[in-house]
Amino acid sequence: AQSVTQLGSHVSVSEGALVLLRCNYSSSVPPYLFWYVQYPNQGLQLLLKYTTGATLVKGINGFEAEFKKSETSFHLTKPSAHMSDAAEYFCAVSALSNTGNQFYFGTGTSLTVIP
Amino acid sequence: DVKVTQSSRYLVKRTGEKVFLECVQDMDHENMFWYRQDPGLGLRLIYFSYDVKMKEKGDIPEGYSVSREKKERFSLILESASTNQTSMYLCASSLGGQGLYEQYFGPGTRLTVT
Repeated sequence: AQSVTQLGSHVSVSEGALVLLRCNYSSSVPPYLFWYVQYPNQGLQLLLKYTTGATLVKGINGFEAEFKKSETSFHLTKPSAHMSDAAEYFCAVSALSNTGNQFYFGTGTSLTVIP
Repeated sequence: DVKVTQSSRYLVKRTGEKVFLECVQDMDHENMFWYRQDPGLGLRLIYFSYDVKMKEKGDIPEGYSVSREKKERFSLILESASTNQTSMYLCASSLGGQGLYEQYFGPGTRLTVT
């Protein structure tokens, strides 16, 4: 069974500060990992994904995430927050299993950017 | 680019009405999904389909049904709408491999049942 935990349902940062959104997963097999962003009253948009290869993944809008197998983590970062980054962020994981592939979302982290 | 469209952005229905939410994707994806999103509860999977005329229950199927007669179209049906079905409904699609690959989302339908 898999699960996705996003630490902190609400995160506030000042404009220009580092953004760090945390995601931990549980999977008994190598997972695929994803981050999505959702702006108000819109659907989810894929920010970045990790499948295989390089563990540091770069995405859109200056975001990146690092897959750390030993820590079962896939934290999302951005060096300098912009006001336009205010949104809901979802971590997701999928993996092969003998009961079929499954795709799981975390419960989301709402990011507020303070001017 | 993958495009997933949903028939309505906002919908207001009365209790007891039959409601149809339509979703169309244009990238020949095998898999399609319906979620509902409520504050504090994240995304909850209602139904999914890995092939035409195939459907599987997700985590919260009660009160809903689905139809997939064509590969590109996946419909969510509320047989008799109730106020507790007021929510944001999101449709998504993905390539084969069942639930392995990234999902692409439509803009959502905000349904209000009065």
